[in-house]
Amino acid sequence: GAVVSQHPSRVICKSGTSVKIECRSLDFQATTMFWYRQFPKQSLMLMATSNEGSKATYEQGVEKDKFLINHASLTLSTLTVTSAHPEDSSFYICSASGGAGSTNEKLFFGSGTQLSVL
Amino acid sequence: DQQVKQNSPSLSVQEGRISILNCDYTNSMFDYFLWYKKYPAEGPTFLISISSIKDKNEDGRFTVFLNKSAKHLSLHIVPSQPGDSAVYFCAARGNAGNMLTFGGGTRLMVKP
Repeated sequence: GAVVSQHPSRVICKSGTSVKIECRSLDFQATTMFWYRQFPKQSLMLMATSNEGSKATYEQGVEKDKFLINHASLTLSTLTVTSAHPEDSSFYICSASGGAGSTNEKLFFGSGTQLSVL
Repeated sequence: DQQVKQNSPSLSVQEGRISILNCDYTNSMFDYFLWYKKYPAEGPTFLISISSIKDKNEDGRFTVFLNKSAKHLSLHIVPSQPGDSAVYFCAARGNAGNMLTFGGGTRLMVKP
């Protein structure tokens, strides 16, 4: 099946620093990638939708200047948490979808990144 | 406004018995429903899905039932195994792209 690789799996950083998370589709071209955030014992909340070559669409309440998303190629999307603060500590998960007409309805997920901001 | 709800945060079942996980939704535009299994600190893995034109889909030990009129779906696991212990998320997709809306999850514990 399709594989989505997400790195790093865990990152600990100091408050005020920026952290970049990568999401790669390894065996298919992902025209759309989604970024989710999960707080402990809570559901996955969609943060933004990124389409290759265009600006990301952010969900209400998500600061686009804080969570920078780049989807420069069909196999790579990055999420950069800028000037991270302890309240940004969370589990971030990406998922990828193929293009129009694809049967990639299952939305394959990366393994997630646990961000801890000290 | 939670469009997809899993009202049971946890469920405990004896090994070999049936596990039934429930999910309710409010948006009648959802046309595709999925169940994901998730372990701590890992991404969700796809289990089984069902289109809104069907009322049942079966895959091995997993069966998903959809009741459109009640806006309710359920996942049946039989027989349950200890390795099934995880958090199960119900997700729904509208007819405008692949964006998924997730329920809050149900933690299943299968006791040996």
